[in-house]
Amino acid sequence: DIQMTQSPFTLSASVGDRVTITCRASQSISTWLAWYQQRPGKAPKLLIYQASSLESGVPSRFSGSGSGAEFALTISSLQPDDFATYYCQQYNTYPWTFGQGTKVELK
Amino acid sequence: QVQLVQSGAEVKKPGSSVKVSCKASGGTSSSYAFSWVRQAPGQGLEWMGGIIPIFGTLNYAQKFRGRVTITADISADRSTSTAYMELTSLRSEDTAVYYCARDAVAGTKGASDWGRGTLVTVSS
Repeated sequence: DIQMTQSPFTLSASVGDRVTITCRASQSISTWLAWYQQRPGKAPKLLIYQASSLESGVPSRFSGSGSGAEFALTISSLQPDDFATYYCQQYNTYPWTFGQGTKVELK
Repeated sequence: QVQLVQSGAEVKKPGSSVKVSCKASGGTSSSYAFSWVRQAPGQGLEWMGGIIPIFGTLNYAQKFRGRVTITADISADRSTSTAYMELTSLRSEDTAVYYCARDAVAGTKGASDWGRGTLVTVSS
């Protein structure tokens, strides 16, 4: 199985900060990577697909980059709604696998 | 707009089985894929398996192979489809929220639409 490793586990930031979460795959997955946001008690929400494509309706402050085995999710200016947990997921090879999650919390 | 409506919460005894349903409506693609993802309390997301109904393609995570069965039905007019996930030989570690998710065109976005989740509690 392809292992997905996110860093950091927790990120403390303030409103307005630029934050970046990284995701590393244990082998190349081309650009078959998605990013999800999950708020407590809610289902995950797709933010980014194919590594850098913004899902419809998602604010433009979210962006994704990378290919191969190294990826990043950047929030250009953190908003109060953005304090949540973020997961990367590869869908290049079955079984699809998720990173362990990164919690973005208020500093 | 695709809507995924999951069945209600379940409480099960160890050793029993549970079957969770997910009814999808809306959307125009016929080559969609369902995935089942679970989340144990306080833990991350875990992909269990998926199905592409139009092709009958099934994939399961090795961890669940032999215990999980994913199926799907499509209505005659193709306006709705329902995915099912059955998990057998339940143990306490299977206590989790089980989500169904759908990719409008299989393999393009991962999972663009999600159900609200079904809490399955395994307890004696």
